[in-house]
Amino acid sequence: GENVEQHPSTLSVQEGDSAVIKCTYSDSASNYFPWYKQELGKRPQLIIDIRSNVGEKKDQRIAVTLNKTAKHFSLHITETQPEDSAVYFCAASIYGNQFYFGTGTSLTVIP
Amino acid sequence: DADVTQTPRNRITKTGKRIMLECSQTKGHDRMYWYRQDPGLGLRLIYYSFDVKDINKGEISDGYSVSRQAQAKFSLSLESAIPNQTALYFCATEGRGLYNEQFFGPGTRLTVL
Repeated sequence: GENVEQHPSTLSVQEGDSAVIKCTYSDSASNYFPWYKQELGKRPQLIIDIRSNVGEKKDQRIAVTLNKTAKHFSLHITETQPEDSAVYFCAASIYGNQFYFGTGTSLTVIP
Repeated sequence: DADVTQTPRNRITKTGKRIMLECSQTKGHDRMYWYRQDPGLGLRLIYYSFDVKDINKGEISDGYSVSRQAQAKFSLSLESAIPNQTALYFCATEGRGLYNEQFFGPGTRLTVL
């Protein structure tokens, strides 16, 4: 089955700086890569996703990049704010069936 | 608003006890999932169901069973709970088709003593 690795496990940044979280996957058939944000005590919620026919996708301060050849994808958050503090999970799947999640990155934005 | 709900939200039980966690949804989604979340291990899939007559094992199904009673209800059972099943359990739903978002319930925190 698919194996998704996520780094770093924890990340602290100053407010206004950028944050980058990286994930690698093993199954070259995977073609859908969502990112979920889980605030403390809350449920995970989708923040952005990318399909394998696209190299980059942006939504305001967040962006995701995908390198199919190297089998890795990354989440980029610019101009970080305290409300960005949360645990972020990447996932890989084939057409959205059976997500394989990474182990999570705990992001802390220091005011 | 259409939502995914889980009961109970918190449960403490003893080793060897049978316990059932329930998930209900008003989103009209066909697909339902059960995950467990452990610190440092992320979200791991236990079982999933694409419709009422479909049940599939996930990565970590040993020690668990499920029942899809209706389109809107998907229950997870621990036949004989053990301490290493202490975790946060999430139910999720997804619509038909490709590349769909999964919507998570609020979670059930289970402690097995």
